[in-house]
Amino acid sequence: DVKVTQSSRYLVKRTGEKVFLECVQDMDHENMFWYRQDPGLGLRLIYFSYDVKMKEKGDIPEGYSVSREKKERFSLILESASTNQTSMYLCASTTGGLLPFEKLFFGSGTQLSVL
Amino acid sequence: AQSVTQLGSHVSVSEGALVLLRCNYSSSVPPYLFWYVQYPNQGLQLLLKYTTGATLVKGINGFEAEFKKSETSFHLTKPSAHMSDAAEYFCAVSGGYQKVTFGIGTKLQVIP
Repeated sequence: DVKVTQSSRYLVKRTGEKVFLECVQDMDHENMFWYRQDPGLGLRLIYFSYDVKMKEKGDIPEGYSVSREKKERFSLILESASTNQTSMYLCASTTGGLLPFEKLFFGSGTQLSVL
Repeated sequence: AQSVTQLGSHVSVSEGALVLLRCNYSSSVPPYLFWYVQYPNQGLQLLLKYTTGATLVKGINGFEAEFKKSETSFHLTKPSAHMSDAAEYFCAVSGGYQKVTFGIGTKLQVIP
């Protein structure tokens, strides 16, 4: 089975801190994604990457950056954490190519609280 | 541009009753459509997907969905609800590129 592992299940940080969320997948997937999940808003795409060192902005990239130095690892960075970034963060991956689109494999999520 | 509207953020059904979760989409290109399920404290899992071909799609755990282009809908159904179906369900759309847009989710409660 494909495994997408997020490094922390729960994380508590202070306003202004630099925060790193890590995600590792073990199926040699080209595409990786970061979403945030908020009640009443569903999942919103922050950033995605379709290859090493490649990245594309999603719908809500403000306040975030990403890093993909190795194919299996995709990091989400909050440069200066703010309370409105308190959320559940979900990482996902899938195989490459534009068509046909295959399913996303999700990690279990990281619940980030910014105080 | 693409978007998904899920009607009803909370749905309650009795055990054994029909489950109907509604989803309408908008897409400027022929869409790929998905239903995902999220159980408590877990990530999302794919229930079923529509890409091309047959418009009635069957998924895991007895769920199915029908793609209706004229109504821009992709409603999820299950003939008989089970307690284990209690979860949050997300409808999603993709225009063929790797970007997927999710709806706000519908929490399904199954009453014994």
